[in-house]
Amino acid sequence: GNSVTQMEGPVTLSEEAFLTINCTYTATGYPSLFWYVQYPGEGLQLLLKATKADDKGSNKGFEATYRKETTSFHLEKGSVQVSDSAVYFCALSLKDGGYNKLIFGAGTRLAVHP
Amino acid sequence: EPEVTQTPSHQVTQMGQEVILRCVPISNHLYFYWYRQILGQKVEFLVSFYNNEISEKSEIFDDQFSVERPDGSNFTLKIRSTKLEDSAMYFCASSAGRTNEQFFGPGTRLTVL
Repeated sequence: GNSVTQMEGPVTLSEEAFLTINCTYTATGYPSLFWYVQYPGEGLQLLLKATKADDKGSNKGFEATYRKETTSFHLEKGSVQVSDSAVYFCALSLKDGGYNKLIFGAGTRLAVHP
Repeated sequence: EPEVTQTPSHQVTQMGQEVILRCVPISNHLYFYWYRQILGQKVEFLVSFYNNEISEKSEIFDDQFSVERPDGSNFTLKIRSTKLEDSAMYFCASSAGRTNEQFFGPGTRLTVL
């Protein structure tokens, strides 16, 4: 079946450290891939996306590259800030059925300390 | 900036009771979704809704669940007879088009006692 696996948290970093959150997927078709972020008390917000192999999504200093050969979409940021503390969700969507339901990973909590 | 809103933020109910979770999607959006996240588990798709009918539903979305867009602005999820295992965070989402970004609400935490 279709699924997303991401590294367990929490991930605890000092400010300005390098961040990697791993995400791998299993899909029967050719998915689009997403990273969503949830700040405390808020809904899920789209952080970045990639729709085909070798595409790089980027936003707010975060990047992720769609790697078809390794079925991965790892999230990276070169220098994290305290304000990046949140839960990060990797997700995929398949266009079968036409309505693009999202399939999520379990989420990874990031805590950044000054 | 337009946003999806959900009420209540927290709902506590007794097992067997009916609950209605409410969502107000972004006003010009046409596609609506419910997802849920049981504590410590994945966010799971429940149902999608377009043109006043369900377009897709998961195996979780059994006869105890129903959705409705009663007045052109609200989008509701009803659970007829709640079970302990329905305790979860329920997220509503909407999108302008089939392939457009889904915008999520802040969620309603449902606790069934």
